[in-house]
Amino acid sequence: NAGVTQTPKFQVLKTGQSMTLQCAQDMNHEYMSWYRQDPGMGLRLIHYSVGAGITDQGEVPNGYNVSRSTTEDFPLRLLSAAPSQTSVYFCASSYSTTNEKLFFGSGTQLSVL
Amino acid sequence: AQSVTQPDIHITVSEGASLELRCNYSYGATPYLFWYVQSPGQGLQLLLKYFSGDTLVQGIKGFEAEFKRSQSSFNLRKPSVHWSDAAEYFCAVGARTNAGKSTFGDGTTLTVKP
Repeated sequence: NAGVTQTPKFQVLKTGQSMTLQCAQDMNHEYMSWYRQDPGMGLRLIHYSVGAGITDQGEVPNGYNVSRSTTEDFPLRLLSAAPSQTSVYFCASSYSTTNEKLFFGSGTQLSVL
Repeated sequence: AQSVTQPDIHITVSEGASLELRCNYSYGATPYLFWYVQSPGQGLQLLLKYFSGDTLVQGIKGFEAEFKRSQSSFNLRKPSVHWSDAAEYFCAVGARTNAGKSTFGDGTTLTVKP
C-alpha cells in the first residue's frame, strides 16, 4: 500500500517556467488537497478536490491550477513559476469529504530562481 | 475565521522529561482539532484528533491531548520524551463539513537533549 505518492521530490525552476507536481493515492480517497509549507508559516491550503471532476480554491490559489480527472490523481500546475512559489509542497488525501484524518505525501521541495 | 496559535516556536527538553506543547484556537462552532507530527524530510502524520466526547484523547506514540473549551486550547502532552520524538508538531482546527480545510498552526519544533 503506497499511500500518497508525490513526484518529483526536488525541482529547480527558472522564473517563468511551467511544471506539474504529481500526486497519486491508491486508497480510493474522495478528498485530495495541496498545501504549501513555508518557514514559520505552517501549512496553507492551495486547492482541494472533493471528488473526480470537482475542485475548489483554498487559501492561497493564485499562480496554481489543478484538475481531478480520476479519483487517484490530483496534479498541481504552476503555469509561470515565480520566486515567491519557492516552497515545500504537500499533497494530502482523506477517505471522505467530512473532516477526517489527512494522509500526507512526503513532499516536493521546489526552488524557483 | 478560524485560526490556530502555537505560542512556542521552539522547545527543548531532556530525554525522559515531560512535554507539553501549547495550542490555542479560534473557531465559531464546535471545533475538530488535530495534532500532526512531521519528521525531517517527511510528510505530516496524524498523532491524534478530537471530534467530540471525552476531552482527553489518546494518540499514537504515547501522546495525549486535552480539549479545554473554556480556554480554547488543545495542548499536547507526553509524560516521558524519547529522542525519536524530536520533530515539528502542528496543531490544526477544522469543521466537519469542510473536508480538509483545516487551518494549521505555524508549528513547534521539538529538540530532545540526551
